[in-house]
Amino acid sequence: DTEVTQTPKHLVMGMTNKKSLKCEQHMGHRAMYWYKQKAKKPPELMFVYSYEKLSINESVPSRFSPECPNSSLLNLHLHALQPEDSALYLCASNQGGNQPQHFGDGTRLSIL
Amino acid sequence: GQNIDQPTEMTATEGAIVQINCTYQTSGFNGLFWYQQHAGEAPTFLSYNVLDGLEEKGRFSSFLSRSKGYSYLLLKELQMKDSASYLCAVRGNQGGKLIFGQGTELSVKP
Repeated sequence: DTEVTQTPKHLVMGMTNKKSLKCEQHMGHRAMYWYKQKAKKPPELMFVYSYEKLSINESVPSRFSPECPNSSLLNLHLHALQPEDSALYLCASNQGGNQPQHFGDGTRLSIL
Repeated sequence: GQNIDQPTEMTATEGAIVQINCTYQTSGFNGLFWYQQHAGEAPTFLSYNVLDGLEEKGRFSSFLSRSKGYSYLLLKELQMKDSASYLCAVRGNQGGKLIFGQGTELSVKP
């Protein structure tokens, strides 16, 4: 078990659906991250939130919409996804600076 | 550009020592991290180096040479459970962003 909790663990959705991925941490971390990971590949950064403000968007398509309602929660809203968006979506958090990022177990997303 | 290189696969024997190398060329350097990732699981933090030298943590050690853009992860007394992917990641100049290498898939054989 990790200290970063992600729900759901698995999600199957159609290309016209709208769904949300959720991430929660109670370690008082001030930075939170979304990554996408394909099989046998490293995590690819999507978004970084620092002090609840979006600080990095790695040119992610607008069908992915992040939201940080408070310092403990991070959401990723999904709409009109494509089959190539099927992947493991990882959330991470840290205190910022050079502190290590702590990863959640991820949500395995399949787009039909 | 930004580039991190590590071997794709390595095989070692239970009880032995293995060294996984990582070379990097990045825009700025603010530390190098090693993560372990078992199949289907989250990456877990192993070590962090920001100054030259060796950091030791139990069976795992990590070394950094900033002038050479080089790091290695040393795993001693290998166990079967050490079979996993090992990810080298560098923090450059862009906020908290980590740049990951492709990962080294380590197989430990009996």
